[in-house]
Amino acid sequence: GEDVEQSLFLSVREGDSSVINCTYTDSSSTYLYWYKQEPGAGLQLLTYIFSNMDMKQDQRLTVLLNKKDKHLSLRIADTQTGDSAIYFCAESSGLTGGGNKLTFGTGTQLKVEL
Amino acid sequence: NAGVTQTPKFQVLKTGQSMTLQCAQDMNHNSMYWYRQDPGMGLRLIYYSASEGTTDKGEVPNGYNVSRLNKREFSLRLESAAPSQTSVYFCASSYITGELFFGEGSRLTVL
Repeated sequence: GEDVEQSLFLSVREGDSSVINCTYTDSSSTYLYWYKQEPGAGLQLLTYIFSNMDMKQDQRLTVLLNKKDKHLSLRIADTQTGDSAIYFCAESSGLTGGGNKLTFGTGTQLKVEL
Repeated sequence: NAGVTQTPKFQVLKTGQSMTLQCAQDMNHNSMYWYRQDPGMGLRLIYYSASEGTTDKGEVPNGYNVSRLNKREFSLRLESAAPSQTSVYFCASSYITGELFFGEGSRLTVL
């Protein structure tokens, strides 16, 4: 079955780069996603990458995908205090009858210190 | 656009009580989902509805029922609440494929 693993915590200083790592098991995943959750809020889609891509850049965000090792990373450049949140990696698979099942990792709590 | 709206945002129940969490989306999405979020466990899929008129079990369906009332609305019912159902519940919606859009969550405590 699908399984997604992430480290639980990451602490960085403001202005540094943050790298959040994720490993997944389902090699047939078409898309892989990064979601952000701020305290007391729902999950917001940050970015996603199609499985035939190695890299995707979107402003301060860079996603790297190593399909051979089933490893996904999210790099946030010039990390700001507003980036403090929980970041979830998710792999996708189809559901019986349709729909898109996302299997989420446990989330990485990013703390940005001044 | 409101996106995905969940009610109530907070609820406290006693063991054995029943309640229904409501969810509505205004994005004309076909598929809707209910997840629960517990510390250290990420989000786990309870039930989903691929399209209007269909519902299916996810990973952790025991103790829950759902109703896809129409294309916009998908409700989650706890018939006899247990302390193990203390959690944050998220409703989400999507097209048949593609990313999920989440509501703000419903925080449920069962005493």
